[in-house]
Amino acid sequence: QSVLTQSPSASGTPGQRVTISCSGGSSNIGRNAVNWYQHLPGTAPKLLIYSNSHRPSGVPDRFSGSKSGTSGSLAITGLQSEDEADYFCAAWDDSLKGVVFGGGTKLTVL
Amino acid sequence: QVHLVESGGGVVQPGRSLRLSCEASGFTFSSHGMHWVRQAPGKGLEWVSVISYDGNNELYADSVKGRFTISRDNSKNTVSLQMNSLRTEDTAVYYCARDMGELYASGSPDFWGQGTLVTVSS
Repeated sequence: QSVLTQSPSASGTPGQRVTISCSGGSSNIGRNAVNWYQHLPGTAPKLLIYSNSHRPSGVPDRFSGSKSGTSGSLAITGLQSEDEADYFCAAWDDSLKGVVFGGGTKLTVL
Repeated sequence: QVHLVESGGGVVQPGRSLRLSCEASGFTFSSHGMHWVRQAPGKGLEWVSVISYDGNNELYADSVKGRFTISRDNSKNTVSLQMNSLRTEDTAVYYCARDMGELYASGSPDFWGQGTLVTVSS
């Protein structure tokens, strides 16, 4: 049971916009920044969004993040087939004194 | 560019020990904290431990506290995870990851290695 809650699956067609949400609590997202990772099986997870809404160098601007209260969201516009992957949210938890992750959302591009 | 390579995974019996290592390159290793994160088969990511950039502070998930020990050697650009009293539920791919804070703890992993598989089975 993950501390952060994500829907297990999402889908969209090429060119569409999809949103993935992440729900937490006052000790994690409520107080700290949300990060988002893209993970393809057998590869290293890749940081997509840090500090709620910032993109690391090299991440396309099709990816954007936001945070409101104890929830975060990842939006992907202009969906592409290569976006098919697992997406995880994460935040520092002040009570647990560690990083907490969402259970992951498997994105399917139809 | 940042490169992290884990090693030391394998098959081990319950109750035995294993030591994982992660060799870093492409950045000033001694300026960044380092995390270990694992993913059990069919499950999500689970944070395991973090060590500060200078090695003076360590934190652990409750699930491994008292059994796992994280350490680092800044002269060799390596971080290690000593895993004792292993359980079947420790079976996972173990990733090392850099903390994005420079000379401070951000609590946010940015660059990750490709992982090493640990299987605990009799």
